[in-house]
Amino acid sequence: QQPVQSPQAVILREGEDAVINCSSSKALYSVHWYRQKHGEAPVFLMILLKGGEQKGHEKISASFNEKKQQSSLYLTASQLSYSGTYFCGILINQGGKLIFGQGTELSVKP
Amino acid sequence: EAGVAQSPRYKIIEKRQSVAFWCNPISGHATLYWYQQILGQGPKLLIQFQNNGVVDDSQLPKDRFSAERLKGVDSTLKIQPAKLEDSAVYLCASSSLRGALHEKLFFGSGTQLSVL
Repeated sequence: QQPVQSPQAVILREGEDAVINCSSSKALYSVHWYRQKHGEAPVFLMILLKGGEQKGHEKISASFNEKKQQSSLYLTASQLSYSGTYFCGILINQGGKLIFGQGTELSVKP
Repeated sequence: EAGVAQSPRYKIIEKRQSVAFWCNPISGHATLYWYQQILGQGPKLLIQFQNNGVVDDSQLPKDRFSAERLKGVDSTLKIQPAKLEDSAVYLCASSSLRGALHEKLFFGSGTQLSVL
């Protein structure tokens, strides 16, 4: 049931864009996105709900394709502060538990 | 507002010893989660509480792990006896009454456990 994230790692230059994908084998109720910097706790970015989309940040947005059972996180004009590991978390039923993917490590270089 | 508090920050023990972790969630948050994060992996849910009742503990190794949430506030997670494969960061998180469907999770800084 664990979602699959791709790519596993990506290296960017400042100002470049990136897309991180999260795919599920089951229908999704909602998708969470979190960023975790090394040695720190995961920090919430945004939630996407079935039938809707909630944007959390200016240059970080996400989409939720219910048919394809996947979500994508878009980082535009990346900044050094965007570096970290990005996790998607999925709920496959309303009262269920949040299941995290294995993470995508993003490194932004000057 | 104060965040999720966890202690200790680090713990080193030998295999077969016991260890306990403590978590104090954000005030008013009814839902509390314990996650295990092995190096290089995503967090894995061990147990979820709604107030002081268990909602999900399907992935908690109950022969060695136990958790409680007295009075629906603080929580402790215990491992007895510890195994080498228990080495991980143990994250506590909390969310408001409606839970993860609609609400973000607030994570604590975690307890890094090393079992030697």
